Amino acid sequence: AQSVTQLGSHVSVSEGALVLLRCNYSSSVPPYLFWYVQYPNQGLQLLLKYTSAATLVKGINGFEAEFKKSETSFHLTKPSAHMSDAAEYFCAVITGAGSYQLTFGKGTKLSVIP
Amino acid sequence: DGGITQSPKYLFRKEGQNVTLSCEQNLNHDAMYWYRQDPGQGLRLIYYSQIVNDFQKGDIAEGYSVSREKKESFPLTVTSAQKNPTAFYLCASSLDRVAEQFFGPGTRLTVL
Repeated sequence: AQSVTQLGSHVSVSEGALVLLRCNYSSSVPPYLFWYVQYPNQGLQLLLKYTSAATLVKGINGFEAEFKKSETSFHLTKPSAHMSDAAEYFCAVITGAGSYQLTFGKGTKLSVIP
Repeated sequence: DGGITQSPKYLFRKEGQNVTLSCEQNLNHDAMYWYRQDPGQGLRLIYYSQIVNDFQKGDIAEGYSVSREKKESFPLTVTSAQKNPTAFYLCASSLDRVAEQFFGPGTRLTVL
């Protein structure tokens, strides 16, 4: 069974500092990986996706993520945090085997301190 | 504008009542999904449909029912058998099983 682990339910960074949100997955086959962002009382918006092309994936709003097969990781980064980045972030995986179900991590709430 | 709409945004239900949440998409996507979100739990799949007139149970289907009579519509009924229905419900759609999912704005259901 596939699973997704997001380390840290809450992360705080200062405005202008590096943002690093961690995601590890378990999968026996090459995965499809996604990062979504959710603002309070809203739906989810896709930030970026990995579908076996380049291992470094660039997304919207200056975010990027690197797929590392050896570490089964897909961490999300942004060089300089902005106040508008405060939101909840979800990592998700489809393994492409069996049901093709999108499995979500439990989310990381990012706070940005001015 | 293409997208997914959900209605209503807020819904209040008395215990023992069935309620239906609406989800409509004009993206011409074949696949549609319903998720339930509780604080600290992430999203959990209730039902999904890959094509019209076909749908499958997700991880937490008990107490819920769906229909898919039209490509653009995938309503979710929360029945009185659902013991703890208070939650935020999200509908999504995708072009196919491995494509990114696009989400609606959600419906917050509260049982009084």
